[in-house]
Amino acid sequence: GAVVSQHPSWVICKSGTSVKIECRSLDFQATTMFWYRQFPKQSLMLMATSNEGSKATYEQGVEKDKFLINHASLTLSTLTVTSAHPEDSSFYICSARAPTEGTYEQYFGPGTRLTVT
Amino acid sequence: SQQGEEDPQALSIQEGENATMNCSYKTSINNLQWYRQNSGRGLVHLILIRSNEREKHSGRLRVTLDTSKKSSSLLITASRAADTASYFCATARGGANSKLTFGKGITLSVRP
Repeated sequence: GAVVSQHPSWVICKSGTSVKIECRSLDFQATTMFWYRQFPKQSLMLMATSNEGSKATYEQGVEKDKFLINHASLTLSTLTVTSAHPEDSSFYICSARAPTEGTYEQYFGPGTRLTVT
Repeated sequence: SQQGEEDPQALSIQEGENATMNCSYKTSINNLQWYRQNSGRGLVHLILIRSNEREKHSGRLRVTLDTSKKSSSLLITASRAADTASYFCATARGGANSKLTFGKGITLSVRP
């Protein structure tokens, strides 16, 4: 089945530094990738949608200059949290989509837990 | 913004019992999907039901969709302790770039 990986699985960083999270589709080409964040005991909130080779589309309220998304290839998207602050601490999950029989299923990565101290 | 709303928000049952979780949504959809998330982990896709389908089965899972009421239910039969997790419904409006909108989730605890 389709597998999506994320790296790292967890990261602790100091306030003011930047952190990059990678999302890879391992056995399929992802035309579209999505980035979500999830606070404890809450649902997933979509941050942005990215298509390979084009700029990401950010959801309302998400700062594009703070959360930089690069979808450089059909198998890799990166999310960089710039100048991280403690309130950015969260669980970040990516998903990748490969059109399959028109259902456009999404496959989710295992998530990255970011803790900003 | 959230569209799916699941109920109950938390459910605790005994192993072997059936678990029923409901989801309501507000706008027209192309399909509705159910996901499971174990604590601190990513999401696992359980089942997808299209807007022109009314019921779908997958192993111990049964999903129904009532587009007139804009609601769906997920039934897990003969529950197991390993079914303990959070369950989310997510709706998609369709199209190649259609994004999923997740509900708040239901926490299911299955007591051994």
